[in-house]
Amino acid sequence: QSALTQPRSVSGSPGQSVTISCTGTNSDIGGYNFVSWYQQHPDKAPKLMIYDVTKRPSGVPDRFSGSKSGNMASLTISGLQAEDEADYYCCSYADNYTFWVFGGGTKLTVL
Amino acid sequence: QLQLQQSGPGLVKPSETLSLTCTVSGGSISNSNYYWGWIRQPPGKGLEWIATIYYTGSTYYKPSLKSRVTISVDTSKNQFSLRLNSVTAADTAVYYCARQGRIGARPGVSVDYWGQGTLVTVSS
Repeated sequence: QSALTQPRSVSGSPGQSVTISCTGTNSDIGGYNFVSWYQQHPDKAPKLMIYDVTKRPSGVPDRFSGSKSGNMASLTISGLQAEDEADYYCCSYADNYTFWVFGGGTKLTVL
Repeated sequence: QLQLQQSGPGLVKPSETLSLTCTVSGGSISNSNYYWGWIRQPPGKGLEWIATIYYTGSTYYKPSLKSRVTISVDTSKNQFSLRLNSVTAADTAVYYCARQGRIGARPGVSVDYWGQGTLVTVSS
């Protein structure tokens, strides 16, 4: 059982927008502005897409955006493209004992 | 370009110790802006943080694994290592080493460089 809750799957057509939610608690998402999102294609290492809730690393398209409200963080992908089909994981800094918690992952299918 | 190269056996017997090493090239493991960690992913499942270390030797462990895990750093070799003892089939996973950012004086949750991943199977 993962510490953060994500939907198992989401889908969208090319050009559409999808949002993936990530629900935690006051001890992780709700308590800190340190949420990251990773994209993982099959048999590849994860790739950082969003950090510190809303920031994009260099090279990540601005179609990817992050937000947070209370204990829930969200990743929105606009203008869906075929190459966006992948697994997406959220994670958050937690308290000084737990440090780092992940969501269970969401499979994005581009129809 | 920073590279993290993992080494270690892909097969470990139950009750024995899993040992992996991550060699950093193209940058210094003593860079004060980063921490170095291990994350694993069981087949078909999600990511799980295991442990993190700073070049000074400060360590951070996932509480549920802490009793079985040791992370260490060798700055002279630009390497850090993971040891997980008393392994069972539940420890079968792809293990990744990673460079983490920092949040003040604590390891952050953003990883900008990953190792290639090592599938470690626990089986007799």
